[in-house]
Amino acid sequence: DQQVKQNSPSLSVQEGRISILNCDYTNSMFDYFLWYKKYPAEGPTFLISISSIKDKNEDGRFTVFLNKSAKHLSLHIVPSQPGDSAVYFCAASADQDTGRRALTFGSGTRLQVQP
Amino acid sequence: SQTIHQWPATLVQPVGSPLSLECTVEGTSNPNLYWYRQAAGRGLQLLFYSVGIGQISSEVPQNLSASRPQDRQFILSSKKLLLSDSGFYLCAWSVRQDNSPLHFGNGTRLTVT
Repeated sequence: DQQVKQNSPSLSVQEGRISILNCDYTNSMFDYFLWYKKYPAEGPTFLISISSIKDKNEDGRFTVFLNKSAKHLSLHIVPSQPGDSAVYFCAASADQDTGRRALTFGSGTRLQVQP
Repeated sequence: SQTIHQWPATLVQPVGSPLSLECTVEGTSNPNLYWYRQAAGRGLQLLFYSVGIGQISSEVPQNLSASRPQDRQFILSSKKLLLSDSGFYLCAWSVRQDNSPLHFGNGTRLTVT
């Protein structure tokens, strides 16, 4: 049962254009959402997050949008750069009594930014 | 600043051999610690998490175990590896507060032959 889904395994975008990566979730208890970027043979690097009390969070070229009613979030990268080429993982967590705060990850989207 | 160290970076082990992967965190106290695995072409799956010394919770039944002998040390082990244990293993830490991200190590690529 995949609680976090990234339905697009890959995305190709021209340099300078906008990249939009999408993520859907099924667990209505999720209240914290994150995006990670991962290069081959490295651990994921935290990019940006959003809590369920917001619908948008922006950090430089990266903006995350959250639509709670649709259980959907997206990551916008503007403008896209060749160095953004990586696998992007969407993740979510729900408040746990034990302070567990483990993340549930999607399967990732490989972004290729063409020069 | 906080850093996380994970070793070895790559490992090739025969079926039936034991496993020990180590992870240490510096620059923070009382972190939550996690072991994740990424199988080929798939997302990251949570294997174990720990909220304190000696406190280990397992997320999925499997051939692996974890231990936390010290506050900032997390070990992933197996007595006898299976072919299906091959994958990319990632250690991560987080502070114990709401809405804080996990920070990952660089991972260990394990190939069981």
